[in-house]
Amino acid sequence: KNQVEQSPQSLIILEGKNCTLQCNYTVSPFSNLRWYKQDTGRGPVSLTIMTFSENTKSNRRYTATLDADTKQSSLHITASQLSDSASYICVVSDRGSTLGRLYFGRGTQLTVWP
Amino acid sequence: DAGVIQSPRHEVTEMGQEVTLRCKPISGHDYLFWYRQTMMRGLELLIYFNNNVPIDDSGMPEDRFSAKMPNASFSTLKIQPSEPRDSAVYFCASRSGTHFYEQYFGPGTRLTVT
Repeated sequence: KNQVEQSPQSLIILEGKNCTLQCNYTVSPFSNLRWYKQDTGRGPVSLTIMTFSENTKSNRRYTATLDADTKQSSLHITASQLSDSASYICVVSDRGSTLGRLYFGRGTQLTVWP
Repeated sequence: DAGVIQSPRHEVTEMGQEVTLRCKPISGHDYLFWYRQTMMRGLELLIYFNNNVPIDDSGMPEDRFSAKMPNASFSTLKIQPSEPRDSAVYFCASRSGTHFYEQYFGPGTRLTVT
């Protein structure tokens, strides 16, 4: 069964600290993996998209990794800021069609305290 | 561009009533997606269109739900009759056919069915 599991479900950290969010998937075949940030009351916004051949991709203070062999991805946030408080959603796409079927994780709710 | 526009932002209705959610995609985007988000199930893809044609509606929960896209700049998601379990945030997203991986989400419509 194609699934996307994220951990932890929620996380609280102090401003300035680093954190790592995990995403494990069983989706096969695999096309790409995306991390979205969703602020409260807003729609998700794409942070990064990784394809099969990419291992690491950075976007400002966000660094995503992908291990296609173990079917794991992580999102590392460096020097957290209050504005990083949000839900982070992992989405995996298969290659079943031109678009690819999308499989969504339930998200990790990150809270950054001052 | 103003981004993806959704209306209304909030909708409260009584069980049994018809509800219509509206979406205006980003100009030039030829893919449009409807999602539903709940605490229990997370983000779910309901249906998507390509060039105004419905491509995959396998995520539509039941016959009470219907979606249309009469032209490239407008889509509706209708629920008739509505039920309390339909309460959720409904997102519309769009993307360009040339930017395969990137979707842009609207602000969502929070639907409450009492």
